[in-house]
Amino acid sequence: KAGVTQTPRYLIKTRGQQVTLSCSPISGHRSVSWYQQTPGQGLQFLFEYFSETQRNKGNFPGRFSGRQFSNSRSEMNVSTLELGDSALYLCASSLDFQTQYFGPGTRLLVL
Amino acid sequence: SQELEQSPQSLIVQEGKNLTINCTSSKTLYGLYWYKQKYGEGLIFLMMLQKGGEEKSHEKITAKLDEKKQQSSLHITASQPSHAGIYLCGADSSGNNNDMRFGAGTRLTVKP
Repeated sequence: KAGVTQTPRYLIKTRGQQVTLSCSPISGHRSVSWYQQTPGQGLQFLFEYFSETQRNKGNFPGRFSGRQFSNSRSEMNVSTLELGDSALYLCASSLDFQTQYFGPGTRLLVL
Repeated sequence: SQELEQSPQSLIVQEGKNLTINCTSSKTLYGLYWYKQKYGEGLIFLMMLQKGGEEKSHEKITAKLDEKKQQSSLHITASQPSHAGIYLCGADSSGNNNDMRFGAGTRLTVKP
């Protein structure tokens, strides 16, 4: 089975722009979670989607949003980018809400 | 909010030695997760512990959950260079994965 894939792998944006990141889960997995990892704040939970519905949400501003499609693929969007949004964005898929399989991440740099 | 403290922050061991990493929560633990990460890469899920006293093993890695102490320990037996990386613990204090928090990580170096 193919693993979790994330696109793009690297991205450079400027302040004020918006960005969309994509995550394709393992086939059959309907739960997708997103995380942000920075050197300063470490790993932080963004949100989780299951069957196209947001199931859980972390403590992030409304500029961070996501969605999940009927094929379980998920996208997250960050509007009005700030320098502090530079991070490694990870997504993970799960079949049972316990064991998570992570993608390689998208490294976003905001200039 | 829940804080997770990991100790030590970094660890250098000789290949073949055993080691232990600890993760202590300031709140009740409903689920404790252990992950491993190579620099700049995605996380590898190691195991999840839910019940007090629960112990799980995967190859040479064993994790235990002490519910009373709100602490989990990760023990690696006969360490190998392939064990090197950053070990992160994560925990949910809401009971429904609505408040997932993570420790700062423990950087493990294994010298051949």
